[in-house]
Amino acid sequence: QVQLQESGPGLVKPSETLSLTCTVSGGSVSNSNYYWGWIRQPPGKGLEWIGSIYYSGRTFYNPSLKSRVTISVDTSKNQFSLKLSSVTAADTAVYYCARLHGSHQGWFDPWGQGTLVTVSS
Amino acid sequence: QSVLTQPPSVSGAPGQRVTISCTGSSSNIGAGYDVHWYQQLPGTAPKPLIYGNTNRPSGVPDRFSGSKSGTSASLAISGLQAEDEADYYCQSYDSSLSGWVFGGGTKLTVL
Repeated sequence: QVQLQESGPGLVKPSETLSLTCTVSGGSVSNSNYYWGWIRQPPGKGLEWIGSIYYSGRTFYNPSLKSRVTISVDTSKNQFSLKLSSVTAADTAVYYCARLHGSHQGWFDPWGQGTLVTVSS
Repeated sequence: QSVLTQPPSVSGAPGQRVTISCTGSSSNIGAGYDVHWYQQLPGTAPKPLIYGNTNRPSGVPDRFSGSKSGTSASLAISGLQAEDEADYYCQSYDSSLSGWVFGGGTKLTVL
């Protein structure tokens, strides 16, 4: 059974870069049947897709965040990572990583438990 | 403003049937992209409820059903139970944005 776990700092200063890693267990990020994604949820608000990556390194980013987002994959560690630069308070959210089934027709399952990242000085 | 539009809230009494709509456009649902539904209980990660418009993952009760027509989709929950009180999100793909999109979410209250 595939499980995902987010890790990274829970507090980031404004203008700095948020960095999170998702570790996959029970399965491989190199599995060609899946993509991998990051989704966030500001406190009390809805879900926002941040971006997705294929094991080959091909990436897809939310246009509203594209200029600040970098997603990468490390197949040797069975991990994928998120970097969001120049953060502001508006980037405070629970960040989830998830496996994406089926590419463009796909759905996210399973999800990590999520990690709260607060942007504050 | 979400690309997929859901009602902010719906409610129903135990045993009743409720539906949650998800309205999109010609670049997402109307373009033929599948719609998926998630249930999010308080303080937990979203869990898939319906995938591929109408399919239930293993373990999801058949009280939950999905449908899609034109530029919209719906989630129906019959025989409402107190444990169904949660937030529900639809999700699809948008060709104009070249990315995956979520609805704004609907809070279900069981009266």
